[in-house]
Amino acid sequence: DQQVKQNSPSLSVQEGRISILNCDYTNSMFDYFLWYKKYPAEGPTFLISISSIKDKNEDGRFTVFLNKSAKHLSLHIVPSQPGDSAVYFCAARTYSGGGADGLTFGKGTHLIIQP
Amino acid sequence: NAGVTQTPKFQVLKTGQSMTLQCAQDMNHEYMSWYRQDPGMGLRLIHYSVGAGITDQGEVPNGYNVSRSTTEDFPLRLLSAAPSQTSVYFCASRGDLVPGELFFGEGSRLTVL
Repeated sequence: DQQVKQNSPSLSVQEGRISILNCDYTNSMFDYFLWYKKYPAEGPTFLISISSIKDKNEDGRFTVFLNKSAKHLSLHIVPSQPGDSAVYFCAARTYSGGGADGLTFGKGTHLIIQP
Repeated sequence: NAGVTQTPKFQVLKTGQSMTLQCAQDMNHEYMSWYRQDPGMGLRLIHYSVGAGITDQGEVPNGYNVSRSTTEDFPLRLLSAAPSQTSVYFCASRGDLVPGELFFGEGSRLTVL
């Protein structure tokens, strides 16, 4: 039972255009949502997050939107640059107290920025 | 500024062999964890620790052991390797500023023949 779903395994976008990566979830108990970026042969790195009580968070070229009623979030990258080509993982946090809260990851979307 | 360091980066084992993947962090983080990444499966939690002396199972713990004797180190042991454990393993520690933010190592690619 996949609680965090990224339904697009890959996405190709032209340089300078907007990239939109989507993520759906099923667990209403998730309280934070995070996006990680991963280059080949490297570990994932944190990109941006949003609290479940917000509907938008922006950091430079990156904006995350959260639609709680639809259990859907999206990552917008504007404008897309060649260095954005990577695998993007959506992750959701379940707060359980005592420091044991864990992340559930989606399967990832491979973003390819075309010159 | 080393962050999270994993060794080895690559390892080939035969079925039944044992080995330990090492993980060390220099950020004084209490929480550490191990994930495995398989094609089309995303990242799955194997084991985690909320502090020295405390460990617990994640989503896919079978075949793996962990211990946490110090804040810095969190080794992952495979007692009897199986081909199903062929994967890329990531160690991560969690910071205190952003809820849920993990700092990952570069990964260890393990092949079990």
